[in-house]
Amino acid sequence: LAKTTQPISMDSYEGQEVNITCSHNNIATNDYITWYQQFPSQGPRFIIQGYKTKVTNEVASLFIPADRKSSTLSLPRVSLSDTAVYYCLVGSGNTGKLIFGQGTTLQVKP
Amino acid sequence: DAMVIQNPRYQVTQFGKPVTLSCSQTLNHNVMYWYQQKSSQAPKLLFHYYDKDFNNEADTPDNFQSRRPNTSFCFLDIRSPGLGDAAMYLCATSSGQDEQYFGPGTRLTVT
Repeated sequence: LAKTTQPISMDSYEGQEVNITCSHNNIATNDYITWYQQFPSQGPRFIIQGYKTKVTNEVASLFIPADRKSSTLSLPRVSLSDTAVYYCLVGSGNTGKLIFGQGTTLQVKP
Repeated sequence: DAMVIQNPRYQVTQFGKPVTLSCSQTLNHNVMYWYQQKSSQAPKLLFHYYDKDFNNEADTPDNFQSRRPNTSFCFLDIRSPGLGDAAMYLCATSSGQDEQYFGPGTRLTVT
């Protein structure tokens, strides 16, 4: 599975839009991109998943360029409760297996 | 509500004393995963079951074993825990390529 690279940490303020970019240069044809959120002492929670172009759900948007070597998670109007670690992962299109990268610690300030 | 349940939430064991962590699911998913997460690190996949087919990660120590007696249950056995095995152990399920549903984790302390 392709390794992912994302910023270790980011700071934002309440009400701002936050964009976290992830690179996955060696993504395979059948692989998909997925993002998880994790709060301390809890299991990761699914945010969004996509294969190409743009995906939007009630909490986030995922932008994937045509070459699929990177992706950007967009969180609109973050609140203090969005302070968490965000993981970008490439999932195997064959096995569904996920390999977690280092994650981005997002700190939302009032 | 359908969910992934892990018991116990906190487990203390002695150095070298075998310990078993359990995971159950009501989602009827065919894939179950075990991850190890140490402090301030990302979860690390140990192994997963696709139905009854066991898939071990290449770097998972032999000290870690798993059993899946049926669709709903999966166990993680640590045969001889060392101090370095202290971590949060996360169980997750999925129906394949779809999202993984994680349990709350079991925090293992080795004394």
